[in-house]
Amino acid sequence: SQTIHQWPATLVQPVGSPLSLECTVEGTSNPNLYWYRQAAGRGLQLLFYSVGIGQISSEVPQNLSASRPQDRQFILSSKKLLLSDSGFYLCACTRGQTSSGNTIYFGEGSWLTVV
Amino acid sequence: AQSVTQLDSHVSVSEGTPVLLRCNYSSSYSPSLFWYVQHPNKGLQLLLKYTSAATLVKGINGFEAEFKKSETSFHLTKPSAHMSDAAEYFCVVTKYNTDKLIFGTGTRLQVFP
Repeated sequence: SQTIHQWPATLVQPVGSPLSLECTVEGTSNPNLYWYRQAAGRGLQLLFYSVGIGQISSEVPQNLSASRPQDRQFILSSKKLLLSDSGFYLCACTRGQTSSGNTIYFGEGSWLTVV
Repeated sequence: AQSVTQLDSHVSVSEGTPVLLRCNYSSSYSPSLFWYVQHPNKGLQLLLKYTSAATLVKGINGFEAEFKKSETSFHLTKPSAHMSDAAEYFCVVTKYNTDKLIFGTGTRLQVFP
């Protein structure tokens, strides 16, 4: 099965600083990749998803961007962080459509605190 | 539009007693439904999934869920709670004809000794 690596696990950044969270996937090729954010006390919100290299779809307008430079690499970035960007960020992947019942696998997450 | 509603934000049980976490869904088509568990500061782990096969789905760690179309429900149950079951549980439905998941707001399960 797939293994998802995320880093860093914890990050404290000042407002206005840049951000880069990295996610890599092992054990599969050509996965669908996702970035989710989980704000304190709330459910998960889909931020970005990608079906292939260089193909990124954004779900909500925001201060963040995503890139997929390689098949199994997914990067979440920001040029200038806002306080509201704080939260728990999860990378996830699937092989095939979840609407067909394919399981989505999650990484261990990255805690971002913007101060 | 598809959605899920987790009816309880917090559930507290004693160790050894049954667990019931409630989830109702809204979908105009036959959905795929999942339950995920998240332990503190960890990623999400799949407990079980329903994909239009058997309506009673068995998952890991003794959990199971029953898909009831007439009630639009997919409640998660376990006969006997363990301390290690204390976590946040998410009910999830797939968005029609897409690869996107819609998460409920979660239910925090506390297990007392």
